[in-house]
Amino acid sequence: DVKVTQSSRYLVKRTGEKVFLECVQDMDHENMFWYRQDPGLGLRLIYFSYDVKMKEKGDIPEGYSVSREKKERFSLILESASTNQTSMYLCASTDRSTIYFGEGSWLTVV
Amino acid sequence: QQQVKQSPQSLIVQKGGISIINCAYENTAFDYFPWYQQFPGKGPALLIAIRPDVSEKKEGRFTISFNKSAKQFSLHIMDSQPGDSATYFCAASRWAAGNKLTFGGGTRVLVKP
Repeated sequence: DVKVTQSSRYLVKRTGEKVFLECVQDMDHENMFWYRQDPGLGLRLIYFSYDVKMKEKGDIPEGYSVSREKKERFSLILESASTNQTSMYLCASTDRSTIYFGEGSWLTVV
Repeated sequence: QQQVKQSPQSLIVQKGGISIINCAYENTAFDYFPWYQQFPGKGPALLIAIRPDVSEKKEGRFTISFNKSAKQFSLHIMDSQPGDSATYFCAASRWAAGNKLTFGGGTRVLVKP
């Protein structure tokens, strides 16, 4: 079974803090994604990566950056967390036929 | 600007009934249309998907209907069961674009016993 693991399930951070969300996949997939899920808005793409050290902006990249130093690991970084970044964050990877999601990281910024 | 519009936002159906969720898209370059099912506390999981070369695809109690000219597709859940209670998302992508999905807003389905 494909496994996409998000190590932090629930986080509470203060405004202005730097936040790292980590994601690891175990299937040697080239493409990985970070989505944000909010009620009524569905899932919106923040960034995606199609190879190590390669990244592309999604639909809502403002306030976020990413890092992909190894093929299996894709990190989302909030440089200076703000309250409007309180959300659930979903990491995903794909073998080009199916996208597999992690279980999500719930981030609350206070 | 939401390129994939999903309705309704929520749905209550009796056990054994039919749940119908509709989606409309704008980008005619989309060529892959999956539906995802998400249970509370879990990530979305692929339920069923269709390409525009067919008008209908059925897997068990789940059916996708696709209308290319209207740029609409829908999910039908036949004989709905309490275990089907979940949030359902439609999505669309260009296969050649690395499978970057554009999602609808989601539909919360509650099946009453």
